Amino acid sequence: QKEVEQDPGPLSVPEGAIVSLNCTYSNSAFQYFMWYRQYSRKGPELLMYTYSSGNKEDGRFTAQVDKSSKYISLFIRDSQPSDSATYLCAMKGGSYIPTFGRGTSLIVHP
Amino acid sequence: ETGVTQTPRHLVMGMTNKKSLKCEQHLGHNAMYWYKQSAKKPLELMFVYNFKEQTENNSVPSRFSPECPNSSHLFLHLHTLQPEDSALYLCASSQDNSQSAPQHFGDGTRLSIL
Repeated sequence: QKEVEQDPGPLSVPEGAIVSLNCTYSNSAFQYFMWYRQYSRKGPELLMYTYSSGNKEDGRFTAQVDKSSKYISLFIRDSQPSDSATYLCAMKGGSYIPTFGRGTSLIVHP
Repeated sequence: ETGVTQTPRHLVMGMTNKKSLKCEQHLGHNAMYWYKQSAKKPLELMFVYNFKEQTENNSVPSRFSPECPNSSHLFLHLHTLQPEDSALYLCASSQDNSQSAPQHFGDGTRLSIL
């Protein structure tokens, strides 16, 4: 079993939809959880950063962590074509080096 | 100036060439990283430097040679690479090597080996 599982997609949604992106993990030591957005031909950009369980909201983005289920989510409300990108989850715990998921490709069509 | 700058953005080289990738960060961070990103695979950590000292070498072949002259600059020297080394090479930095410090990435160098 991979340490971090993330469906590569692609996930295709219409503009305005609520998007849910998810990762599961197996290492119970993970405490820091990150979501990165990566546009084509660009590097990953830190989008959300949370510690332990709970929700964090930033504009149209909400990050959710459920440590009991070892499951994290990123919700995007009112999705826009400009949200089309690859979304990478990453997590840390017991080490300063993050473990990354493979990334989910999101396509928001007008 | 963007936070983490990588040059060149694209590089095509033959298997016998020698080239170097450069990374510079303007964030005042003390830790710097090299990653390899290949299609459909998670980011692969290659090297970590903290306060100019190498702290991780993730079993990287010796044809990749890192150099960190100061906390703001990181190089990756390349020689006699193989076709499977074609990938996007990403540099990242973080405040330090604590668990709480997130990483910030550059836009990468797209490397193609002929």
